Amino acid sequence: EAQVTQNPRYLITVTGKKLTVTCSQNMNHEYMSWYRQDPGLGLRQIYYSMNVEVTDKGDVPEGYKVSRKEKRNFPLILESPSPNQTSLYFCASSYQGRPDTQYFGPGTRLTVL
Amino acid sequence: KQEVTQIPAALSVPEGENLVLNCSFTDSAIYNLQWFRQDPGKGLTSLLLIQSSQREQTSGRLNASLDKSSGRSTLYIAASQPGDSATYLCAVKDSSASKIIFGSGTRLSIRP
Repeated sequence: EAQVTQNPRYLITVTGKKLTVTCSQNMNHEYMSWYRQDPGLGLRQIYYSMNVEVTDKGDVPEGYKVSRKEKRNFPLILESPSPNQTSLYFCASSYQGRPDTQYFGPGTRLTVL
Repeated sequence: KQEVTQIPAALSVPEGENLVLNCSFTDSAIYNLQWFRQDPGKGLTSLLLIQSSQREQTSGRLNASLDKSSGRSTLYIAASQPGDSATYLCAVKDSSASKIIFGSGTRLSIRP
């Protein structure tokens, strides 16, 4: 089954404790992206990657890191989480060429205390 | 900087009505526009994708149109059903086919 998976689905952590949210897709997509969703602010792009070893900043990259060492994986790293990073996070993937329909993962709800 | 706006933020209509959801964007130099549906607590499901060279796309009871020159897209839902209740989001991919900007969504409620 074609899908985007994220782990963990729920996470409660404390300020400053490094964490990684994993994202994996099995569709051989070149493009992968991370978003955060906050009430009243909608979905905002954090980072995106157009292929292996190619990453770039979205609209809200501060406090986040990513890597793209393999085509299927695109982990999101919070090296020193803060309470303002409490949010619902989504990973998505698509082909870089057409059709470039985005497929979303189920989301990760992160709470930073 | 591209901005995407969806008005209204919420809409409630009786079952069976045809309805239109609106999406506007400030920079007409886009690569494509995509409409999504999001159910409470769930991820996003793609509904329709319109490339910059296209004017509309249809899938079942859904029809999406794109007018780049005016910076507008509409999602038309025919014969609405209670199962259509969800939040509908539009997203614009910029002309370099890299960044994606979302609108804040329209929360649709279909009354039985």
